[in-house]
Amino acid sequence: EDQVTQSPEALRLQEGESSSLNCSYTVSGLRGLFWYRQDPGKGPEFLFTLYSAGEEKEKERLKATLTKKESFLHITAPKPEDSATYLCAVQGSGNTGKLIFGQGTTLQVKP
Amino acid sequence: KAGVTQTPRYLIKTRGQQVTLSCSPISGHRSVSWYQQTPGQGLQFLFEYFSETQRNKGNFPGRFSGRQFSNSRSEMNVSTLELGDSALYLCASSRDSAFEAFFGQGTRLTVV
Repeated sequence: EDQVTQSPEALRLQEGESSSLNCSYTVSGLRGLFWYRQDPGKGPEFLFTLYSAGEEKEKERLKATLTKKESFLHITAPKPEDSATYLCAVQGSGNTGKLIFGQGTTLQVKP
Repeated sequence: KAGVTQTPRYLIKTRGQQVTLSCSPISGHRSVSWYQQTPGQGLQFLFEYFSETQRNKGNFPGRFSGRQFSNSRSEMNVSTLELGDSALYLCASSRDSAFEAFFGQGTRLTVV
């Protein structure tokens, strides 16, 4: 069964303090791994898609990487506006159109 | 370009009633999927439609149903509402499976 586990559940950082969020997954035939950001009361906002091990993508202070078993979301010099819940999801080859989500990591960045 | 639009944003219903939620995808996107989000279970997949056909379905009871129209707009229906159906219902659209899915703001359903 496809499964996604995110850690830590919650993370508190000082502004400028870099860190990484982890997403461990098991899936039958990875078609894609997706990172989203979600603010309270809003829908998830798309950040990145990664398709194969070794792939990396960057956007402003965020960088996502992928191995065969996990993905990392690196946050460099975060700002208070980066505070949100970050969600990781996978799609397996046997599950057309279905994303399996982790429980998310809630990030709080203090000024 | 316009994003995914969900209506209504908020709903309050009584147990036993039924409800219909609407989703207008991004122009050109043919895949629409629905998710239920609750604090305890997180985001859970309900079903996915592509070109008016349901391609995949999650582990929800038959009270949850959906459909997609020829213009790719989608609706989901929940019949005989239960208290446990209170949740944020999210719709996502994409060009096709394995492409990035873009979410709407959701419909907050409260069952009393």
